[in-house]
Amino acid sequence: EPEVTQTPSHQVTQMGQEVILRCVPISNHLYFYWYRQILGQKVEFLVSFYNNEISEKSEIFDDQFSVERPDGSNFTLKIRSTKLEDSAMYFCASSERVSRGYQETQYFGPGTRLLVL
Amino acid sequence: AQSVTQLDSQVPVFEEAPVELRCNYSSSVSVYLFWYVQYPNQGLQLLLKYLSGSTLVKGINGFEAEFNKSQTSFHLRKPSVHISDTAEYFCAVSSFGNEKLTFGTGTRLTIIP
Repeated sequence: EPEVTQTPSHQVTQMGQEVILRCVPISNHLYFYWYRQILGQKVEFLVSFYNNEISEKSEIFDDQFSVERPDGSNFTLKIRSTKLEDSAMYFCASSERVSRGYQETQYFGPGTRLLVL
Repeated sequence: AQSVTQLDSQVPVFEEAPVELRCNYSSSVSVYLFWYVQYPNQGLQLLLKYLSGSTLVKGINGFEAEFNKSQTSFHLRKPSVHISDTAEYFCAVSSFGNEKLTFGTGTRLTIIP
C-alpha cells in the first residue's frame, strides 16, 4: 500500500540554525499538509499546499517557515532560524484531492522529531 | 472556529474487555469527524470517518464510532480489545470547505494482559 514517507526520523539542531524536513507524499496525491505536535500537546495544522502554492496556513506558520515542492516527488518544510519552541514532531500528510462537499482522507507520514537545543 | 476535546488522556483496559474513548467537538458549521490511531514509532493511520449519512460508522480493526449531533460527540468503541490495540488515538474534525484537521490531545490506550 502506498504511504507517505518522511526524512529524517530525528533531527537535532542548534537554536538559530536552518532545518529542512522532507516528505514524499503518495504519488497521485495533489494536496499536501504539514502538522506538528509539541510534546504532550495537540497535533496542530501548519500549512496546506496545492498547485505549487500555499492554500491555507495557520498563525503558527510565520515568516520563519516555508514550504516547497522542489520536484515531482518531494515536499519540504524549511525552518529558517530555529527556536527552542520549534521542538516538536512534524507530520506530513497528503490527500488525493479536495472536492467541494467531500472530505478526502489525509494520509500521514511517520513524522520527524525535531529537537532544538 | 472548531475544537476537539478528548476527555481521557490515558485509558487502561484489560484484554478482551470493551473500551470507549470519548471525543467531543465544537463547531459553528457542519463537521466531518475522524479517528486516527498512532502505533509506536509510526504515523497517524485513519481508523474511521464520518462524513454524512448513517451516524454509526465502522472502521478498521473492529472499531466503530457514533456521531451524536445533539451531544456533539463522536465516541470510539470496540467490544473486545487486543494487545495489538495499544496505541495513541486521536479524534479530529474538519468542516465543509475547510480541509485542515483540528485534532484533540489524544488518548493513550493501554491493554492489560
